[in-house]
Amino acid sequence: DTGVSQNPRHKITKRGQNVTFRCDPISEHNRLYWYRQTLGQGPEFLTYFQNEAQLEKSRLLSDRFSAERPKGSFSTLEIQRTEQGDSAMYLCASSLGFGSRGDYEQYFGPGTRLTVT
Amino acid sequence: AQTVTQSQPEMSVQEAETVTLSCTYDTSESDYYLFWYKQPPSRQMILVIRQEAYKQQNATENRFSVNFQKAAKSFSLKISDSQLGDAAMYFCAPGGVDSNYQLIWGAGTKLIIKP
Repeated sequence: DTGVSQNPRHKITKRGQNVTFRCDPISEHNRLYWYRQTLGQGPEFLTYFQNEAQLEKSRLLSDRFSAERPKGSFSTLEIQRTEQGDSAMYLCASSLGFGSRGDYEQYFGPGTRLTVT
Repeated sequence: AQTVTQSQPEMSVQEAETVTLSCTYDTSESDYYLFWYKQPPSRQMILVIRQEAYKQQNATENRFSVNFQKAAKSFSLKISDSQLGDAAMYFCAPGGVDSNYQLIWGAGTKLIIKP
């Protein structure tokens, strides 16, 4: 078990371009979360999946954002027509997500830092 | 709406001493638990300790312990024998069964360790 991984670790893009990030959760983890974090702030929830089903999306997630988790394994987060305000760290976390109480602990990946110029 | 308040934006402590980080929260959930996460500079978020709200006993994990006051909705983190590696942002995050255990995050406290 190598933990949650995210790729790329850094992404610099020009305003208006599309970007896609990938998250590989801990194997057998059913839940996968996406967060956005700006400097000096706590994570802001974006969306989460239970297996392949996207169960909730934050109002922060505009139409330019889309997330998928095909087959309940890895997930991708795509941002279309990027804006400078999208510059942030995008964090992914996973948890077992069922059963006993301890199954809801979230384990985080290293994040993808997006810079929109 | 659930909210989390970490009233100390920054705290500093001398190496080897003890420091307490405060957290208060507001929730209407009956079944929930609370986490403290640590985020070192430019590194990933790490779970430090968790507390189930139904348990009266405060959680302890090596040098880290919590003071959970359920009625006061207070969940402070005590770090004993502070080490340089403890320097990080610390986030308090409760999650409840009604909200499907999604975590609500505080703004964080930056902990500085003085050598």
